[in-house]
Amino acid sequence: NAGVTQTPKFRVLKTGQSMTLLCAQDMNHEYMYWYRQDPGMGLRLIHYSVGEGTTAKGEVPDGYNVSRLKKQNFLLGLESAAPSQTSVYFCASSYPRRGASEQFFGPGTRLTVL
Amino acid sequence: EDQVTQSPEALRLQEGESSSLNCSYTVSGLRGLFWYRQDPGKGPEFLFTLYSAGEEKEKERLKATLTKKESFLHITAPKPEDSATYLCAVQIVGSARQLTFGSGTQLTVLP
Repeated sequence: NAGVTQTPKFRVLKTGQSMTLLCAQDMNHEYMYWYRQDPGMGLRLIHYSVGEGTTAKGEVPDGYNVSRLKKQNFLLGLESAAPSQTSVYFCASSYPRRGASEQFFGPGTRLTVL
Repeated sequence: EDQVTQSPEALRLQEGESSSLNCSYTVSGLRGLFWYRQDPGKGPEFLFTLYSAGEEKEKERLKATLTKKESFLHITAPKPEDSATYLCAVQIVGSARQLTFGSGTQLTVLP
């Protein structure tokens, strides 16, 4: 199993450009998440999905959109990139057990917006 | 507001010098507390889940403990390969299983 994969690994954008980050998981997990990680601030939740066709906002959703058309894929879009969106983006997935359930993370996408 | 605070921000140890990392939390209702390890340029790697006060879990040189207000990650006789950033996160009752993370402790173990 590949686990959680992310495409691309690195990307440089100019202010105002758009792009889509792809996350795929082969563990048949219901829940998927997008986080961003900035120095000194830890990981912060952008958007999440509890199942195919459903999405919800996290802590820092502004400037991002998401879609979950297939259970195994979760897309993160930036319509008009800003320098403040320079960050490392991580996707994660989990299986919703009755109690707490650990999340499995992808390798990350490093995005620079000039 | 749910909060997770990790200390220290950075820790340098000599190989074999045991120590502890702290994670204090303030949440409305704890479903679980998680410890992750993150190597440079990689995604977080799951280590432990703790569910209730008094619980302990061990893996090789690592031991995680939980009280009602904080968790400790004890590292016994560390080796250079234990160098990484250790992240603590909480999952709240009533949430969609999303995690609230602390900012991490960067551990360096010197040979």
